[in-house]
Amino acid sequence: GAGVSQSPSNKVTEKGKDVELRCDPISGHTALYWYRQSLGQGLEFLIYFQGNSAPDKSGLPSDRFSAERTGGSVSTLTIQRTQQEDSAVYLCASSPLAGGFSGNTIYFGEGSWLTVV
Amino acid sequence: AQSVTQPDIHITVSEGASLELRCNYSYGATPYLFWYVQSPGQGLQLLLKYFSGDTLVQGIKGFEAEFKRSQSSFNLRKPSVHWSDAAEYFCAVDARNYGQNFVFGPGTRLSVLP
Repeated sequence: GAGVSQSPSNKVTEKGKDVELRCDPISGHTALYWYRQSLGQGLEFLIYFQGNSAPDKSGLPSDRFSAERTGGSVSTLTIQRTQQEDSAVYLCASSPLAGGFSGNTIYFGEGSWLTVV
Repeated sequence: AQSVTQPDIHITVSEGASLELRCNYSYGATPYLFWYVQSPGQGLQLLLKYFSGDTLVQGIKGFEAEFKRSQSSFNLRKPSVHWSDAAEYFCAVDARNYGQNFVFGPGTRLSVLP
């Protein structure tokens, strides 16, 4: 597609429920990132996918968080047993990283705004 | 630890005034450097980037940034601020050559007075 697409754009869920957030990266981009941005805060790295390599999950805050990327394209971030502190904007980004070259721009989606009540 | 710092959490300027947002990084070699802007309720938009070559780079919306290796800085500038520039600005480093990912600074919030 023309840009990084995320859905849902807004989600309100009850504490304890599971949620799934979807990211459709720019076509042909091999690198995909998830970040979290809490109200008034900076960007917190969550997870990074690059091609067929094992993802870098070092930023996931707890085992309630998981993500997968199917077919090297669409990614889903899953939060199990949501807590109020999970309320944030979840931003997905993609990059045309190829051949180990670093320095390609990453492009962000509009974000999924999650509110846990 | 290697990091990106933005010393100013919040800056307020009058419309028409000049602007400089500071960014410093602690990576030894020359990393790839970026500035992104986030308007309220929006995602992040790339303003400009520096990979190599001319140390003064031009971006969108009249912004420019200057890479200074000696100061490990990549400050963002605009000669005349518009009210629509009020937003959050993030400096970022592509640190994938250092075993990290894209590393973002904490952001600087810009307010513009009429």
